[in-house]
Amino acid sequence: GAGVSQSPSNKVTEKGKDVELRCDPISGHTALYWYRQSLGQGLEFLIYFQGNSAPDKSGLPSDRFSAERTGGSVSTLTIQRTQQEDSAVYLCASSVLQGAGYGYTFGSGTRLTVV
Amino acid sequence: AQSVTQLDSQVPVFEEAPVELRCNYSSSVSVYLFWYVQYPNQGLQLLLKYLSGSTLVKGINGFEAEFNKSQTSFHLRKPSVHISDTAEYFCAVRPSGGSNYKLTFGKGTLLTVNP
Repeated sequence: GAGVSQSPSNKVTEKGKDVELRCDPISGHTALYWYRQSLGQGLEFLIYFQGNSAPDKSGLPSDRFSAERTGGSVSTLTIQRTQQEDSAVYLCASSVLQGAGYGYTFGSGTRLTVV
Repeated sequence: AQSVTQLDSQVPVFEEAPVELRCNYSSSVSVYLFWYVQYPNQGLQLLLKYLSGSTLVKGINGFEAEFNKSQTSFHLRKPSVHISDTAEYFCAVRPSGGSNYKLTFGKGTLLTVNP
């Protein structure tokens, strides 16, 4: 597609349930990033996939969070045993790997509400 | 590691007035600098970027920013704002060398343009 697509756009889940958030990057973009946006906190880096290299998971806040990228394209962010503090907007972005000055193209995000 | 400080969390201005949104960064290495805009319920959109060369960078929607290396600043300016400029603005940095393409964001500045 023409842009980064994220689904669902909104998700309400009960505390303790698992959720999966999906990101479909721009075709040909080899780098994919997940960020979390909480009110007044800016964008918090979660995880970064770069081509076939091992992902940079340094931003994942706990072992309840995991992500995978299948076939170098679609990525799924999974949050197990959700907690209320996981409520936030989860943003996905992609970029070309070559051409270091390229910025990211962001999706519209998934708004997660844990009740 | 890099860090970004956006000095104002909220900036209210009247329509057609000039505006400056401030951004300072900290880094032990050379960086690329970016400004993104986020309209309500949307993802982030790249406004402009500084990679090298002229320190005055022009972006979309009439915005410009000036890189000041000695003051480690990258302030965003617009000489005359419109109601439609109401949005949240994020400053971001990443190392200019190496293979880590991860962006570090500030906490954002909410620009509100009043009639």
